[in-house]
Amino acid sequence: DTAVSQTPKYLVTQMGNDKSIKCEQNLGHDTMYWYKQDSKKFLKIMFSYNNKELIINETVPNRFSPKSPDKAHLNLHINSLELGDSAVYFCASSQTSGTNTGELFFGEGSRLTVL
Amino acid sequence: AQRVTQPEKLLSVFKGAPVELKCNYSYSGSPELFWYVQYSRQRLQLLLRHISRESIKGFTADLNKGETSFHLKKPFAQEEDSAMYYCALGSQGGSEKLVFGKGMKLTVNP
Repeated sequence: DTAVSQTPKYLVTQMGNDKSIKCEQNLGHDTMYWYKQDSKKFLKIMFSYNNKELIINETVPNRFSPKSPDKAHLNLHINSLELGDSAVYFCASSQTSGTNTGELFFGEGSRLTVL
Repeated sequence: AQRVTQPEKLLSVFKGAPVELKCNYSYSGSPELFWYVQYSRQRLQLLLRHISRESIKGFTADLNKGETSFHLKKPFAQEEDSAMYYCALGSQGGSEKLVFGKGMKLTVNP
């Protein structure tokens, strides 16, 4: 059973398009994240949601809009895609209340290529 | 602000050699340190955390608050250890934010 799953795994699109990446976790965690991994493998947090509420919003262009319909899902919508948006986007989840180990569980990543 | 520094991007060793992957951090609060690993074509996963004081796959890491370091060590590297390694910093009591270092690629040659 996949704990954190993202779709699609690969996405190739043209500049200016709008695209979405979906993420679901079945671990019962209360917090979900989006991380961006650039071509140099640098991993940087973009957003974090706790029980559907946005709690971390790093310096990310407002073309990126996360949405959490419930605590098991966190989707990422990107408007007007630019070349620099090409990266691997990782979804992750963790339990930050109660017995908290601080461990993040990651999805397999979604590789976005903007042409 | 939380900051993690992994000064080396690449490390290549032969099988059986010792390895040390360096990690330094900067944080004014009580830190929680982790090492995450990403094997080829696999998802990023937790390797070990300082609070557990455990050895995983032969790796150990000791938190040195005086030197603000959390170096990852293994006395005898194996080929299957080849991967990307990320040091990560959170805050004690659970943080909604985990800051990662830039990662280091370890290659263990036969």
